[in-house]
Amino acid sequence: AQSVAQPEDQVNVAEGNPLTVKCTYSVSGNPYLFWYVQYPNRGLQFLLKYITGDNLVKGSYGFEAEFNKSQTSFHLKKPSALVSDSALYFCAVREAGGSYIPTFGRGTSLIVHP
Amino acid sequence: NAGVMQNPRHLVRRRGQEARLRCSPMKGHSHVYWYRQLPEEGLKFMVYLQKENIIDESGMPKERFSAEFPKEGPSILRIQQVVRGDSAAYFCASSPTQGAGTDTQYFGPGTRLTVL
Repeated sequence: AQSVAQPEDQVNVAEGNPLTVKCTYSVSGNPYLFWYVQYPNRGLQFLLKYITGDNLVKGSYGFEAEFNKSQTSFHLKKPSALVSDSALYFCAVREAGGSYIPTFGRGTSLIVHP
Repeated sequence: NAGVMQNPRHLVRRRGQEARLRCSPMKGHSHVYWYRQLPEEGLKFMVYLQKENIIDESGMPKERFSAEFPKEGPSILRIQQVVRGDSAAYFCASSPTQGAGTDTQYFGPGTRLTVL
């Protein structure tokens, strides 16, 4: 079985400061990991994914995420937050060779204060 | 290249009516997924379809809900005899192929269903 946890319902950060949105996962084998962002009244937009290779993945809008196998984590990061980054962020996992349906976390609301 | 299209964007139905939600995948994509999003509950998988085939409907309620993806035209999610608990945002996503399970899903803007 595959599962994903986003331990924080909300993250608050000041504009210009670095941000981290946490995600941990559980799969039996190797994971495929995804981050999506959702703006109000919009669909989810793909940010980045980890399939294999370099543990640090760079994505859209200056976001990056680091795959840590020993900690089963895939935290989303950005060096300098913008007010426009305020949105709902979803982590998703799919097990390699397993179900084609990803499991999504409950989402973390990121609020960037001016 | 147009993204995933969903219509209507907003749908209001009275209890007992039918709701029909449409999804046109991205050009070149042959796999469609439907999800339901409720406040505080995140995104829940409902059904996965390919053209003319339902691949996985493990997340779909057994009654009142059905989905299809015909050879021609959009995918349809149909909810019969709607109840207030069906009020939610319904999202469609598409992907090009199954591949090795690495394909990214691309989401539409959603249909927000309100049942009065």
